[in-house]
Amino acid sequence: DIVMTQSPDSLAVSLGERATINCKSSQSILHSSNNKNQLAWYQQKPGQPPKVLIYWASTRESGVPDRFSGSESGTDFTLTISSLQAEDVAVYYCQQYHRSPLTFGGGTKVEIK
Amino acid sequence: EVQLVESGGGLIQPGGSLRLSCAASGFTFSGYAMGWVRQAPGKGLEWVSTVVGAGDRAFYADSVQGRFTISRDNSKNTMWMQMNSLRPEDTAVYYCAKGRCGDLLCGAFDVWGQGTMVTVAS
Repeated sequence: DIVMTQSPDSLAVSLGERATINCKSSQSILHSSNNKNQLAWYQQKPGQPPKVLIYWASTRESGVPDRFSGSESGTDFTLTISSLQAEDVAVYYCQQYHRSPLTFGGGTKVEIK
Repeated sequence: EVQLVESGGGLIQPGGSLRLSCAASGFTFSGYAMGWVRQAPGKGLEWVSTVVGAGDRAFYADSVQGRFTISRDNSKNTMWMQMNSLRPEDTAVYYCAKGRCGDLLCGAFDVWGQGTMVTVAS
């Protein structure tokens, strides 16, 4: 199975500051036909289902604010919130869809400092 | 409006069976893979199963293989999860989720239901 390792487990960031969440896959998740990484980022607020923010590692879902961005380097992936807003308090998960079983990272809880 | 509505959760004794349903609306159901993702209380997300858009292939997590069966009826815009031999560790909120395309590995889950709670306890 492909293991997705997220870090940190939690972080506290001041309003308007940058938040950075990391995710590392245990093996390559590069799609052979389009040369894109098969990685998604989700946001889950308390009491709500997850919501997709980013797919193909760096493609923003329609309607997602542009302060959310995804980047990649080999098997290392990053979700960046450029200017944290109060409504961004949530748990964030990465997920690979390169191979079955689909696997999620353990989650990163983002809070306001 | 694209919508997924789960039903069928509840309290069940270990070893029992339960059938979850997911009713979809607002999109061409047969064109998209559909899956179940669960979340145990206070824990992270765990993928359970996915059925492709045509309904002829299904994929399962090892933890449920042989006990759970996913199915869909594209004429009814509905997906099901038959859960047998339930265990306490199956206790979770079960989310129905829509894939971005018709197969398992071509995209993330872009629409999620509100979830239905399954509690396995005596």
